[in-house]
Amino acid sequence: DAGVIQSPRHEVTEMGQEVTLRCKPISGHDYLFWYRQTMMRGLELLIYFNNNVPIDDSGMPEDRFSAKMPNASFSTLKIQPSEPRDSAVYFCASSPRLASNEQYFGPGTRLTVT
Amino acid sequence: GDSVTQMEGPVTLSEEAFLTINCTYTATGYPSLFWYVQYPGEGLQLLLKATKADDKGSNKGFEATYRKETTSFHLEKGSVQVSDSAVYFCALKGGTSYGKLTFGQGTILTVHP
Repeated sequence: DAGVIQSPRHEVTEMGQEVTLRCKPISGHDYLFWYRQTMMRGLELLIYFNNNVPIDDSGMPEDRFSAKMPNASFSTLKIQPSEPRDSAVYFCASSPRLASNEQYFGPGTRLTVT
Repeated sequence: GDSVTQMEGPVTLSEEAFLTINCTYTATGYPSLFWYVQYPGEGLQLLLKATKADDKGSNKGFEATYRKETTSFHLEKGSVQVSDSAVYFCALKGGTSYGKLTFGQGTILTVHP
């Protein structure tokens, strides 16, 4: 299996622009997680899905952030409008089932907002 | 709520030195405990895990024992290598977390030749 795939790997954009990050989970995994990592705040869980349904979005920082999972093999995290404080590495992870002890992480998208 | 506290980093060691990274937790119920490792430019990957008290997780020479009485899960390795340089995250999955992992802040380890 190719593992969790994220695109783009790097994104540089200007403040105010819309940014869309993409994730393809491992085939057959029921859970999908979006994280944000910064030096100041460490690793934060933004939102997660079970069978394409959002379960907990309490970590989404504000209304500028939205996430969707239209099918089992694709998810997006959108920031509109973007701000410099959104600069971070965004990780997607997937997990095969509720009882699983392991989440499989993608390589991350490094976002820079100027 | 659930929380994980790791020792402050960064940690700098010489090759073949002994490593300990402390981790303590607060959780309701009976959590599972994990150590994840993040190599430069990569995502996190599971290093080892323990699902109940007194379990010992081990992998690649690393070990950690689930200590319920001290609510700890310290990571150890007897002889580190340069290739162990990475960021190490302690994490838990609580009994009521419904699949979520709670991560510590991460500890940067640098091993010099």
